[in-house]
Amino acid sequence: SQQGEEDPQALSIQEGENATMNCSYKTSINNLQWYRQNSGRGLVHLILIRSNEREKHSGRLRVTLDTSKKSSSLLITASRAADTASYFCATIKGTGNQFYFGTGTSLTVIP
Amino acid sequence: KAGVTQTPRYLIKTRGQQVTLSCSPISGHRSVSWYQQTPGQGLQFLFEYFSETQRNKGNFPGRFSGRQFSNSRSEMNVSTLELGDSALYLCASSLHQGTNQPQHFGDGTRLSIL
Repeated sequence: SQQGEEDPQALSIQEGENATMNCSYKTSINNLQWYRQNSGRGLVHLILIRSNEREKHSGRLRVTLDTSKKSSSLLITASRAADTASYFCATIKGTGNQFYFGTGTSLTVIP
Repeated sequence: KAGVTQTPRYLIKTRGQQVTLSCSPISGHRSVSWYQQTPGQGLQFLFEYFSETQRNKGNFPGRFSGRQFSNSRSEMNVSTLELGDSALYLCASSLHQGTNQPQHFGDGTRLSIL
């Protein structure tokens, strides 16, 4: 079963607006990662936030983590048409690389 | 540096057949993981290989198997194919095992079962 759930499932915004998507997970984590997937392609790693961090920035991306609520959010500022993709959060079970991915948020940015 | 390469990109098989998918990780990466992606179940972990040994396994039947070679290249095999095996199969590599390693994904093999 999947570890995480993203919310909303789909999001449609105008270019230049901000996009916020949320992720909830079930068990304790060492870190949480966000990935992007363009249609028909593989996933691309965006950002990693460790369990002892509350916020992290990378370019137009801002990620927050609330371990007490077992939730994370990804904010994309000043969105572009090229940001159109599905976004997934991922957590890891144990010490290996067994990732659990959320259900994903499908983001459409309208030019 | 070349990315993760998966072959073939598309594959059509019929029920009962078997299939082998190939993954070449990024040069120097020793961990290779496989995922199945379907609209209904999303992304599900199949297994992970590191140094030619299976380190983790997801909740899939024994029809799904894999292996890793000394050059870190990996293959995944599915026997006695079922309609429900139709999916995008993704391979991901990382330098080592460990929870702080981002995964680098290939573009997948789209498997269709008729």
